[in-house]
Amino acid sequence: GDSVTQTEGPVTLSEGTSLTVNCSYETKQYPTLFWYVQYPGEGPQLLFKVPKANEKGSNRGFEATYNKEATSFHLQKASVQESDSAVYYCALSETYGSSGNKLIFGIGTLLSVKP
Amino acid sequence: DAGVTQTPRHEVAEKGQTIILKCEPVSGHNDLFWYRQTKIQGLELLSYFRSKSLMEDGGAFKDRFKAEMLNSSFSTLKIQPTEPKDSAVYLCASSFGHPTERLFFGHGTKLSVL
Repeated sequence: GDSVTQTEGPVTLSEGTSLTVNCSYETKQYPTLFWYVQYPGEGPQLLFKVPKANEKGSNRGFEATYNKEATSFHLQKASVQESDSAVYYCALSETYGSSGNKLIFGIGTLLSVKP
Repeated sequence: DAGVTQTPRHEVAEKGQTIILKCEPVSGHNDLFWYRQTKIQGLELLSYFRSKSLMEDGGAFKDRFKAEMLNSSFSTLKIQPTEPKDSAVYLCASSFGHPTERLFFGHGTKLSVL
């Protein structure tokens, strides 16, 4: 079945440093790839998505490129802020049989940014 | 806009009790999901409904976990009987159902089983 593997946390950084969270996936399909972010006390929310291979998604200074050849979708940010402290999930959409779809999530990466 | 509403936000149960968690999806969404969230396992899919039809019932969770969707605007997740290992955050999410569409999550119910 489909799967997503991402950097296991926790990851602790100082403000102003760069972030990379690795994400790799396995699928026989042509999925849309997602990054979700979850702040304390809330449910996960979409950070951004990329439906097509070799395209880049971005939001709030975060970005990731859908690399079909390497089956990767690494999350990057050049300069993190304390407010970026959260759990980050990589996910792919899996078509369910002839209809329907569901998301397959990675384990999640806890990011803590120190001032 | 009304998002996904989950109640209660917190639930404390004794081992062996029956608990029912509730979820109201975003109006107009076709798909509804129940996930269990733990630090060790991350997000585990418990149940998946499409237009109120059960598409997946979570395999290993079948024996004590039962999700229902009696109408398009309300779903419940029953855990019977509860065990301490069920302590986790239970998240409900909904979407329009297209593979490129995102999920909208509720705030979750934090369950503690003593």
